[in-house]
Amino acid sequence: DVKVTQSSRYLVKRTGEKVFLECVQDMDHENMFWYRQDPGLGLRLIYFSYDVKMKEKGDIPEGYSVSREKKERFSLILESASTNQTSMYLCASSFFGAGELFFGEGSRLTVL
Amino acid sequence: GESVGLHLPTLSVQEGDNSIINCAYSNSASDYFIWYKQESGKGPQFIIDIRSNMDKRQGQRVTVLLNKTVKHLSLQIAATQPGDSAVYFCAEIPNSGYALNFGKGTSLLVTP
Repeated sequence: DVKVTQSSRYLVKRTGEKVFLECVQDMDHENMFWYRQDPGLGLRLIYFSYDVKMKEKGDIPEGYSVSREKKERFSLILESASTNQTSMYLCASSFFGAGELFFGEGSRLTVL
Repeated sequence: GESVGLHLPTLSVQEGDNSIINCAYSNSASDYFIWYKQESGKGPQFIIDIRSNMDKRQGQRVTVLLNKTVKHLSLQIAATQPGDSAVYFCAEIPNSGYALNFGKGTSLLVTP
């Protein structure tokens, strides 16, 4: 089975802190994605990557950056966390473009 | 970008009944659609997909119907069970796009 592992299920950070959310997949997938999920807004794409060291902005990239140094790992970085970044963050991977996505369990971030 | 929307935010059905979850999409160029199920505290899981050259696709207890004329997608669940209680998302990929665009979700509650 494909496994997408997000390093932290729950995080609490303070405004202005730098936050790293890590995601690892074990199926040699080319493509990885970061979404955020908010009540009433569904899932919104932040960034995605279709190859090592490659990244593309999604619909809401402002305030975020990403890093993909190895194929299996895709990190989401909040350079200076703000309260409006309190959310559930979902990492996903896929083999064929944006076909069937395999999601991690999510990281719930609270910024105080 | 163009949006994927859902007709009903919540749906309550009795155990054993059939459920129908609807989704409207606005991008006529979309050529691939997926339904995801998200249980509480978990990441979304793939249920079934359909390409735009099809009208209907069946899985185990689930059927997806695609009406391109009115840009409407539905998920039918036969003999709904308590384990089907979850939030259901439709997602689309435009034929020029790379990443899935998700709807806002419908919460399905199955009552005994």
